[in-house]
Amino acid sequence: EAGVTQFPSHSVIEKGQTVTLRCDPISGHDNLYWYRRVMGKEIKFLLHFVKESKQDESGMPNNRFLAERTGGTYSTLKVQPAELEDSGVYFCASSRVTGRYEQYFGPGTRLTVT
Amino acid sequence: AQKVTQAQTEISVVEKEDVTLDCVYETRDTTYYLFWYKQPPSGELVFLIRRNSFDEQNEISGRYSWNFQKSTSSFNFTITASQVVDSAVYFCALSEALMAGFQKLVFGTGTRLLVSP
Repeated sequence: EAGVTQFPSHSVIEKGQTVTLRCDPISGHDNLYWYRRVMGKEIKFLLHFVKESKQDESGMPNNRFLAERTGGTYSTLKVQPAELEDSGVYFCASSRVTGRYEQYFGPGTRLTVT
Repeated sequence: AQKVTQAQTEISVVEKEDVTLDCVYETRDTTYYLFWYKQPPSGELVFLIRRNSFDEQNEISGRYSWNFQKSTSSFNFTITASQVVDSAVYFCALSEALMAGFQKLVFGTGTRLLVSP
């Protein structure tokens, strides 16, 4: 089966601009997660969807971040307006809701805000 | 609050050496799960193992083995006879009890392993 895919792989934008990251989970995985790794620090949870519903967005840094999962398939994470501290690698992961729960991660999107 | 500490930032070994990656965790939960992920140069995190807090049996999978000790809150990972392909960043992670498969992973900062020929 195809793995989790993320687009773009790398994005460089200026402070104040808007960027939208996309994640396509593994087919059949209703759980979808976003995580972020800021340079040199640990990977941190941002939010979790079950199908199209946000279940936990306790890790979202502030209201400049908006995540959606229309139709319960792919998800987008929009940062508007971007700030320098938003730079990092944004990971998406997906898993089943029953059976084996392991999260399968995508390769991440490296976001650089200049 | 939950916390995972990987004190080793980077480890360098020569091929065929054994290497142990340390992981110490903190949690107030009595039921929790521990994980190891590998991040090769391609960037994605590859799942290696999940352990629940009630199962302290050590596990071996090929050249990989894991030592879970609740008494010291540690979940260490050993690679026996390391190979160049083992070069990667390894992350230890912790989550509270599962609810409908939901796992909010708390990661350590990772250990970069460099295996030279």
